[in-house]
Amino acid sequence: DAGVIQSPRHEVTEMGQEVTLRCKPISGHDYLFWYRQTMMRGLELLIYFNNNVPIDDSGMPEDRFSAKMPNASFSTLKIQPSEPRDSAVYFCASSLGLAGGPYEQYFGPGTRLTVT
Amino acid sequence: KNQVEQSPQSLIILEGKNCTLQCNYTVSPFSNLRWYKQDTGRGPVSLTIMTFSENTKSNGRYTATLDADTKQSSLHITASQLSDSASYICVVPRGTTDKLIFGTGTRLQVFP
Repeated sequence: DAGVIQSPRHEVTEMGQEVTLRCKPISGHDYLFWYRQTMMRGLELLIYFNNNVPIDDSGMPEDRFSAKMPNASFSTLKIQPSEPRDSAVYFCASSLGLAGGPYEQYFGPGTRLTVT
Repeated sequence: KNQVEQSPQSLIILEGKNCTLQCNYTVSPFSNLRWYKQDTGRGPVSLTIMTFSENTKSNGRYTATLDADTKQSSLHITASQLSDSASYICVVPRGTTDKLIFGTGTRLQVFP
């Protein structure tokens, strides 16, 4: 298996532009997670899906952030409009079941976003 | 408050030496504790998952311990290698949910 796939790996954009990050989870995994990592705050859960349905989006910073999972093999995280404070590494992860299960979460390589 | 604290923040050791990283947590209810290794520019990779009933678990040169009474865990690295240079993150899910509480990590540097 290729693991969790994310694209692009790097994104540089200007403030105010729309940014779309993409993720392909491991085949057969029912859970998909979006995380953000910064030096100041470490890793933070933004949102997660179970069977393509958003379960908890309480970590999404504000309305500028949105996430979708149109099918079991694809998810997007969109930021519109982007701001410099959104600069971070965004990770996608997938798992077979609940972390409390305990099921392993497999992380993708991340997308490094820089907003100028 | 659900928290995971790690120490030290950073550590420098010579190749071949052993080291121990610490993790204290206050997450409740507790179901399991994980140690992740994150190389620079990459996503975290799981080293071990320990449940309530497990005191010690090994993965090659990595040995994790868990004391659920004192809410402490440690990760011991034996005979360190240059490739062990990375951040090590202690993670505790909140109960049976999928909300992972992440520690701030320990940055380990192994020099020849």
